[in-house]
Amino acid sequence: GAVVSQHPSRVICKSGTSVKIECRSLDFQATTMFWYRQFPKKSLMLMATSNEGSKATYEQGVEKDKFLINHASLTLSTLTVTSAHPEDSSFYICSARSGLAGDGNEQFFGPGTRLTVL
Amino acid sequence: DAKTTQPTSMDCAEGRAANLPCNHSTISGNEYVYWYRQIHSQGPQYIIHGLKNNETNEMASLIITEDRKSSTLILPHATLRDTAVYYCIVSRDNYGQNFVFGPGTRLSVLP
Repeated sequence: GAVVSQHPSRVICKSGTSVKIECRSLDFQATTMFWYRQFPKKSLMLMATSNEGSKATYEQGVEKDKFLINHASLTLSTLTVTSAHPEDSSFYICSARSGLAGDGNEQFFGPGTRLTVL
Repeated sequence: DAKTTQPTSMDCAEGRAANLPCNHSTISGNEYVYWYRQIHSQGPQYIIHGLKNNETNEMASLIITEDRKSSTLILPHATLRDTAVYYCIVSRDNYGQNFVFGPGTRLSVLP
């Protein structure tokens, strides 16, 4: 199956700093990538959708200036958490979709990045 | 809000079949049913998806009722490694609709 990687898997940072998380599709070209956030014992919540070469579409309540998303190529999307605060501590998960027409359009998920802001 | 409802939790004996139900009574004609699972502290893993017909792959079988208002994911011989949260999602096959995750079913496979 399709493989999606994330880097780093775990990051601890001080309050006020910025953190960049990378999401890569390793064996397919992802026309669309998604970023989710998951708090402990909760389900995944979609933060934003990005299509290669265009601006990301953010879900209601997600600050686009705080969570900067770049999808510069068909295999890489980055999420930058700017001026991180302790309430931004969460599990961030990306997914990628090839966008090929046909039999369903499943998303393939990365392993997640656990962000802890001190 | 998620368009699916699932039981909060289920137990299954190791080696037996695990049958996980999902209700999606408001599903539209062009919406697929997707199943994913998430093992603790990992990203969700794709299992299977279908539109109308039953589907089977190396991981599981998906049984969709004729009226498409519900489905069942079947893990034929559950192992301890199948313990996870299982998510049932309905979504269209185009760029217009994203996945909405509900709380899922926490499946515990017991030795």
